[in-house]
Amino acid sequence: DTGVSQDPRHKITKRGQNVTFRCDPISEHNRLYWYRQTLGQGPEFLTYFQNEAQLEKSRLLSDRFSAERPKGSFSTLEIQRTEQGDSAMYLCASSLGRGGEGTEAFFGQGTRLTVV
Amino acid sequence: AQSVTQLGSHVSVSEGALVLLRCNYSSSVPPYLFWYVQYPNQGLQLLLKYTTGATLVKGINGFEAEFKKSETSFHLTKPSAHMSDAAEYFCAVTGEWGAQKLVFGQGTRLTINP
Repeated sequence: DTGVSQDPRHKITKRGQNVTFRCDPISEHNRLYWYRQTLGQGPEFLTYFQNEAQLEKSRLLSDRFSAERPKGSFSTLEIQRTEQGDSAMYLCASSLGRGGEGTEAFFGQGTRLTVV
Repeated sequence: AQSVTQLGSHVSVSEGALVLLRCNYSSSVPPYLFWYVQYPNQGLQLLLKYTTGATLVKGINGFEAEFKKSETSFHLTKPSAHMSDAAEYFCAVTGEWGAQKLVFGQGTRLTINP
């Protein structure tokens, strides 16, 4: 078990470009979460998946953001037409959930996005 | 709905002194409470969690926290600070154990003075 893995760790992009981040959860975890953390703030929930189904999206997730989890394994988060306000740390987490049971969320090391 | 307030964005203590980081929560349902630590440019590492049962929970690195329902608090303590404890600490709450949609406080940066 290598934990939650995120790639890339750092991304610098020009405003208006599209970016895509990848998250590989802990292998047996069926739930996967994306959070965004801006400087000096706590993480904010963006969206989560149970297996391949995206069950909830925060209102923070504008139309420029899309997340997928094909086959219920890794997940991608794409931001289209990036804006400077998108600069943040994007954190992925996973957990094992079965009804009301399961584990707590385990976080990856994050992808830091800088939009210039 | 849930929310978390961490009192004090910066806390500074001397090495060997008591560490106390404050967290108050609001929840419309019985809460599950967590403390996470974050080192610079790193993700979040779970220190401890309260689900049900014993209200005093012990975590890693000598930290513990006590759930006080009457005070809606979940303060984090450590009897003796170590230089390696310097980091950002986040309190978080969820009302639904299975979904793990955490609501975080704004964080407290802990500085340890030699």
